[in-house]
Amino acid sequence: QSALTQPPSASGSPGQSVTISCTGTSSDVGGYNYVSWYRQHPGKAPKLIIYDVTKRPSGVPDRFSGSKAGNTASLTVSGLQAEDEADYYCSSYAGNNNLLFGGGTKLTVL
Amino acid sequence: EVQLLESGGGLGQPGGSLRLSCATSGFAFHTYAMTWVRQAPGRGLEWVSAISGSGASPYYADSVKGRFTISRDNSKNTLFLQMNSLRAEDTAVYYCARVLLFLRCFDAWGQGNLVTVSS
Repeated sequence: QSALTQPPSASGSPGQSVTISCTGTSSDVGGYNYVSWYRQHPGKAPKLIIYDVTKRPSGVPDRFSGSKAGNTASLTVSGLQAEDEADYYCSSYAGNNNLLFGGGTKLTVL
Repeated sequence: EVQLLESGGGLGQPGGSLRLSCATSGFAFHTYAMTWVRQAPGRGLEWVSAISGSGASPYYADSVKGRFTISRDNSKNTLFLQMNSLRAEDTAVYYCARVLLFLRCFDAWGQGNLVTVSS
């Protein structure tokens, strides 16, 4: 199975909103409500920010939100802050005890 | 505080073996499934393997099936990854992570451990 498809880059100015897409197939993103999003700063470990499409772990601000339509999931970051500049990865359960990640999106805060 | 600390990486020969360890603390280790995720230099994340809390059920990505073995020692709160028949494409930073919901999301990660496969 191939990795999920994310745009390689995205950008926005402080205070603005930006949305990152994650496209899969009916066998992964479209077939399960098990999409997660992770933020990774350079040289650091990933951090879970969204799971099960829309849920936020404790401590993650509500500036981060997730959604899904068909085979495409999306992460929206509202009220962009300098600390949001990072790589963002989506993942989805893909059946048969398998998990796929997206290729990652580098978010630049202008 | 939840902590995960990987060790055991380094340089491995093509066709050789390495064993990674992940020492954990701050949570009831035996009640959580655990997983390994890797990241090749400059590349994205790739799920490698996962194991149930009891250790009875291991799962593998096709890219490592038959070569890697995941295991755990619940008496020592430690996760392992035995990597055999190493290939150049196994070169990556390997992260251990705690599974929040099985194969759906991972809520605590180690700092990562670099494995380089080269002659």
